Amino acid sequence: DAKTTQPTSMDCAEGRAANLPCNHSTISGNEYVYWYRQIHSQGPQYIIHGLKNNETNEMASLIITEDRKSSTLILPHATLRDTAVYYCIVRVALNQAGTALIFGKGTTLSVSS
Amino acid sequence: DTGVSQDPRHKITKRGQNVTFRCDPISEHNRLYWYRQTLGQGPEFLTYFQNEAQLEKSRLLSDRFSAERPKGSFSTLEIQRTEQGDSAMYLCASSAGRTSQETQYFGPGTRLLVL
Repeated sequence: DAKTTQPTSMDCAEGRAANLPCNHSTISGNEYVYWYRQIHSQGPQYIIHGLKNNETNEMASLIITEDRKSSTLILPHATLRDTAVYYCIVRVALNQAGTALIFGKGTTLSVSS
Repeated sequence: DTGVSQDPRHKITKRGQNVTFRCDPISEHNRLYWYRQTLGQGPEFLTYFQNEAQLEKSRLLSDRFSAERPKGSFSTLEIQRTEQGDSAMYLCASSAGRTSQETQYFGPGTRLLVL
């Protein structure tokens, strides 16, 4: 079962910031939060990950609450090409190293002009 | 393009036939994962390799499925006696580095349709 909860869908106007929330109330102290997105018919694309500090890269910013029970992915200036399903993921450790990504249904972000 | 390639991109087969998919990971990545994604759902973990060793299999991986990574480089996923329920996108991902914060990079997937 997915260990995260996300809204099913969100809309955003082109050029505006898109803020995608995620709840992960059962996250443990050493688990990272990962965000991926999937544009129709393509493989998932890595966006960003974080543990407890806010993170920023060329694609997005990740804000994690102090209690680590929720986070927000921010796309600062959404474009039409950002229309995709966004997955917030807390991983599951596998035996003998390696981790499985447990995907939920994600948030479908629709960016319109 | 993440550097992970999969072949073929699309496969249509008849029920009962065998199919084989190939994944070429990013060259220096020692971990390789297979996932399956059905329509409207997120990807689901199937199996995992570290170098040539298959270390984990999901309960989703029935006896008709077999995966190999013979030289620790490319991997194949074979489905024997395909069923209509096998229709899905099969995704491969690779990673390297510390497990605690490894990043898995996905290929474009192979879309299978079983008629």
